[in-house]
Amino acid sequence: DGGITQSPKYLFRKEGQNVTLSCEQNLNHDAMYWYRQDPGQGLRLIYYSQIVNDFQKGDIAEGYSVSREKKESFPLTVTSAQKNPTAFYLCASSTPFGGAGTEAFFGQGTRLTVV
Amino acid sequence: QKEVEQDPGPLSVPEGAIVSLNCTYSNSAFQYFMWYRQYSRKGPELLMYTYSSGNKEDGRFTAQVDKSSKYISLFIRDSQPSDSATYLCAMSEFDDYKLSFGAGTTVTVRA
Repeated sequence: DGGITQSPKYLFRKEGQNVTLSCEQNLNHDAMYWYRQDPGQGLRLIYYSQIVNDFQKGDIAEGYSVSREKKESFPLTVTSAQKNPTAFYLCASSTPFGGAGTEAFFGQGTRLTVV
Repeated sequence: QKEVEQDPGPLSVPEGAIVSLNCTYSNSAFQYFMWYRQYSRKGPELLMYTYSSGNKEDGRFTAQVDKSSKYISLFIRDSQPSDSATYLCAMSEFDDYKLSFGAGTTVTVRA
């Protein structure tokens, strides 16, 4: 089945540690995204990538880093510089919104908790 | 001011009622308008997709776009308890990769 796989589903991190969230897609989509979701704030864009080896900062990139070495993979690292990392993280992929039937597909999310 | 404004609710309606959801936006370059449904602790899934202005109907769901007012709506007819979820509006410019989301409205349909 085609889709987006995020892992792990739940992640606990001690303060001061870096953690990496995995996102893999087999939809052959060029674009991939990372969003953060907090209660009452909707989805906020962290980083996005339109093509391999290229990515752009979103609205809340501080304290996060990404890489895009393969078309299928777009891992997100939450660094110790992120002051409030506890949140629900969503990965998505899409084709450009230039034709009928294009849409962003989302993974099932990773819930990160700092302990 | 946020680029996309959406009342977070929550909204509670009896089964069979019409649910009315809406978003306003400030970017006149937005061309594609989407509604996503998100169940608790799950990723969002696309419900409706509209290009430019007009209406689109899919079963019990109707999406409306009024670009002159920068206002979009989603109507759910004959609502069911299974429609209880958070509904997010999203929009993008032509041939753009970025989506801008509203805050999401949480809907509960009471049996």
